[in-house]
Amino acid sequence: DSGVTQTPKHLITATGQRVTLRCSPRSGDLSVYWYQQSLDQGLQFLIQYYNGEERAKGNILERFSAQQFPDLHSELNLSSLELGDSALYFCASSSGVSGNTIYFGEGSWLTVV
Amino acid sequence: QKEVEQDPGPLSVPEGAIVSLNCTYSNSAFQYFMWYRQYSRKGPELLMYTYSSGNKEDGRFTAQVDKSSKYISLFIRDSQPSDSATYLCAMSANGNNRLAFGKGNQVVVIP
Repeated sequence: DSGVTQTPKHLITATGQRVTLRCSPRSGDLSVYWYQQSLDQGLQFLIQYYNGEERAKGNILERFSAQQFPDLHSELNLSSLELGDSALYFCASSSGVSGNTIYFGEGSWLTVV
Repeated sequence: QKEVEQDPGPLSVPEGAIVSLNCTYSNSAFQYFMWYRQYSRKGPELLMYTYSSGNKEDGRFTAQVDKSSKYISLFIRDSQPSDSATYLCAMSANGNNRLAFGKGNQVVVIP
């Protein structure tokens, strides 16, 4: 158990809908990262927050947004969902701002039908 | 060319064999090199972490980095059925907050 908690573990939703994925980082970690894992693309970095502020942005679509709250938990919002958004979404955390060693949660499996 | 190349082909080995995995990369700024292990439908778990070139050993696992060739390797000695998983290489540049991952190698250790 990495100490990173993600909910929900699984969800199925229809195209065009919006979902929110939630992440609680390891105790004491200030950085939260979101990654998307699909069969064809592998693990892709989406976005990082450090202590409530956005620090780095990767291949995150405009339909997706994230935020980190004062209690350091984070949410990833996915809207206008398309079939191609079906993937495993991972949250990870680290203690510092640099992401060289990060610890992943168990992931949220999103299926868009 | 992708930043990190990892042949995703499944690898089946008998128990006790040495497993050899590798990745190549194109970004010469990468300084930090990691190997993650991922069991089916679970999150990646950090296995090995290396800074710059050289070798690092941890139990049955050895990680090697050759920056001149832009090539990293992971060796698993005396492989066990519990080592059956997908192994992902990852790397980052100094001060960069994102990890670039390979696509992963599925390893099956046959008892």
